[in-house]
Amino acid sequence: AQSVTQPDIHITVSEGASLELRCNYSYGATPYLFWYVQSPGQGLQLLLKYFSGDTLVQGIKGFEAEFKRSQSSFNLRKPSVHWSDAAEYFCAVGVGSNFGNEKLTFGTGTRLTIIP
Amino acid sequence: DTEVTQTPKHLVMGMTNKKSLKCEQHMGHRAMYWYKQKAKKPPELMFVYSYEKLSINESVPSRFSPECPNSSLLNLHLHALQPEDSALYLCASSQANYNEQFFGPGTRLTVL
Repeated sequence: AQSVTQPDIHITVSEGASLELRCNYSYGATPYLFWYVQSPGQGLQLLLKYFSGDTLVQGIKGFEAEFKRSQSSFNLRKPSVHWSDAAEYFCAVGVGSNFGNEKLTFGTGTRLTIIP
Repeated sequence: DTEVTQTPKHLVMGMTNKKSLKCEQHMGHRAMYWYKQKAKKPPELMFVYSYEKLSINESVPSRFSPECPNSSLLNLHLHALQPEDSALYLCASSQANYNEQFFGPGTRLTVL
């Protein structure tokens, strides 16, 4: 079965500083990988996704992520964070062979705090 | 329209009540999902509907009853819930052959 690990429960960065959130997955084949962001009491918004091809993917809000097969990682990065980036970030892996049977397995999340 | 909408935003119910959560999407997606999310936890999958048929039930108690009346609507009927069922209930949808799921804003449910 697939699994996702987000080793950092909580990260604090200064506004304007760079950010990297870590994500490691476990799955036998090439998975579909996602990063979602959730503000308090809100739904999840998709930041970016990796299905295949170029291992560096660009997302919304200035985020990017790099798929590294050798390290089973899909880390999220942003060169300069804004106060509005404070939220919970979830990495997820999707598997499924039949449409309608896809499951997303989420990591436990990383809470990002931004200090002025 | 690229949104998934959910109503109501908040719901408070007693353990003997019957209520329903509603989810709607007009993106032409043919898979729809219910998730339950407790505070400071990731979403947990409850049900998946594919082409209006239930394809996954993650061993959810029968006090939760899903329904998919058509390709745009998904309901979750609630009956005899327990206080531990209090959570944020999220609906999502996805297009055929993709795992990318689009989430609604959720319904915050409190069971007294």
